[in-house]
Amino acid sequence: TQLLEQSPQFLSIQEGENLTVYCNSSSVFSSLQWYRQEPGEGPVLLVTVVTGGEVKKLKRLTFQFGDARKDSSLHITAAQPGDTGLYLCAGRTIEYSGAGSYQLTFGKGTKLSVIP
Amino acid sequence: NAGVTQTPKFRILKIGQSMTLQCTQDMNHNYMYWYRQDPGMGLKLIYYSVGAGITDKGEVPNGYNVSRSTTEDFPLRLELAAPSQTSVYFCASILRLAGGMETQYFGPGTRLLVL
Repeated sequence: TQLLEQSPQFLSIQEGENLTVYCNSSSVFSSLQWYRQEPGEGPVLLVTVVTGGEVKKLKRLTFQFGDARKDSSLHITAAQPGDTGLYLCAGRTIEYSGAGSYQLTFGKGTKLSVIP
Repeated sequence: NAGVTQTPKFRILKIGQSMTLQCTQDMNHNYMYWYRQDPGMGLKLIYYSVGAGITDKGEVPNGYNVSRSTTEDFPLRLELAAPSQTSVYFCASILRLAGGMETQYFGPGTRLLVL
């Protein structure tokens, strides 16, 4: 079983501060995704990174995939209360079992609270 | 498109009862998944399907069954409910794009309490 560890588990910051959350594994992933989940709702995909060293930006959010494709980070600049939520990373491994199936492994998440 | 829909939103079961969690997607996606999410534990894959008539076990399949008779529907069956199955259940479907990109769409979840 592939293991994805996210840190920190909890993060409470003031509006306007910057923050970085991490997603680490000893395994190599072919791609990695970041999701945000709000209470009572399903996760919503933010970004997919597929190339080692890749950096993607989504407004104030910057995502980076490690060169070895074992880790990723999410940096938020000037956090706002609307950024509050559970941030999940998920790595994709490809396991072929005749039907060409594949699975995503999720981390436990980082719960972010941005205080106005 | 309605995306991924799940019913019911919330259910209370007694130990030993059975129920089916419904999941439907109208995006013609081949890949569909069932996850459970326990507090502080992230999402665990229960079962998945790569197309109609094809299903396979995920990480935590015990106590569950699935079927995939159509592309749209992927119901999850609990035959003998146990307190350990108290959780929030999410259904998802995936659109695969070129270059390894993919988008996973989640339903709103079913909250299940087994007493």
